[in-house]
Amino acid sequence: GDSVTQMEGPVTLSEEAFLTINCTYTATGYPSLFWYVQYPGEGLQLLLKATKADDKGSNKGFEATYRKETTSFHLEKGSVQVSDSAVYFCALNAGGTSYGKLTFGQGTILTVHP
Amino acid sequence: DSGVTQTPKHLITATGQRVTLRCSPRSGDLSVYWYQQSLDQGLQFLIQYYNGEERAKGNILERFSAQQFPDLHSELNLSSLELGDSALYFCASSAAVGAYTEAFFGQGTRLTVV
Repeated sequence: GDSVTQMEGPVTLSEEAFLTINCTYTATGYPSLFWYVQYPGEGLQLLLKATKADDKGSNKGFEATYRKETTSFHLEKGSVQVSDSAVYFCALNAGGTSYGKLTFGQGTILTVHP
Repeated sequence: DSGVTQTPKHLITATGQRVTLRCSPRSGDLSVYWYQQSLDQGLQFLIQYYNGEERAKGNILERFSAQQFPDLHSELNLSSLELGDSALYFCASSAAVGAYTEAFFGQGTRLTVV
C-alpha cells in the first residue's frame, strides 16, 4: 500500500540555520505530494504541494521538489525563524480510488531557538 | 482560519460511553474526511464522504461510524469508548476528490477517555 516515511525527529536548530526534513514515499501510479504544518494547538495547514515529477512547491521560504527517480520530497528552508517551530508532515494523495484521502508520514517536530 | 469548523474542541468522557464529533466543511466543499491523530499511530485516515455518500474507508473501528448530512456537515460517532481512543480527531474538507485535491483541516477535537 501507499506509505510515507519522514526523517526521525525532533530537529532542533538555531535561528537562521538551514533546514532539511527528508521525506520518501511508496505509491503506485503518480501521486501528488504535500507538506503540511501543525503549529501548537492548531490544525494542519497546507504548506506547499507538487503534483507531478520535477515540480517544485514553495511557500514562505520553504521549498520541496518532487523527485520521482528517488521517490522523495524533501523539505528545505535556507534560514529558519523561531516562528517556524512546529510539526511538519509529509503526505501523499495517490489519486484514483483513494478519492483524495491523504497518507501521512509520522511527522517531524522542529524547534528553532533564538 | 481554514473555514472548517469542528465542535467541540475538547471532550472528556468515561470508558464505555458514546460521543459525537461534528464537522462543518468549507462553504462549497462536497467532500469530508476524518482523521485520527494519536501519539503511537500518527495521523490515520478513518473515513471519507462525498456529497452524502461514503467513498473511502480506512482503519476505522467497527465501534466508530460517520455520516454526512444533506447540508454537508458530518458527524463522527464513537461508541463503547476505550482508553486507547483518546486522540485528536481532525476533519478536513475539499472541493474535489482527485489526486490534486487540496484538503483543508479543522482545528480538531481532542477526545480524552478516562
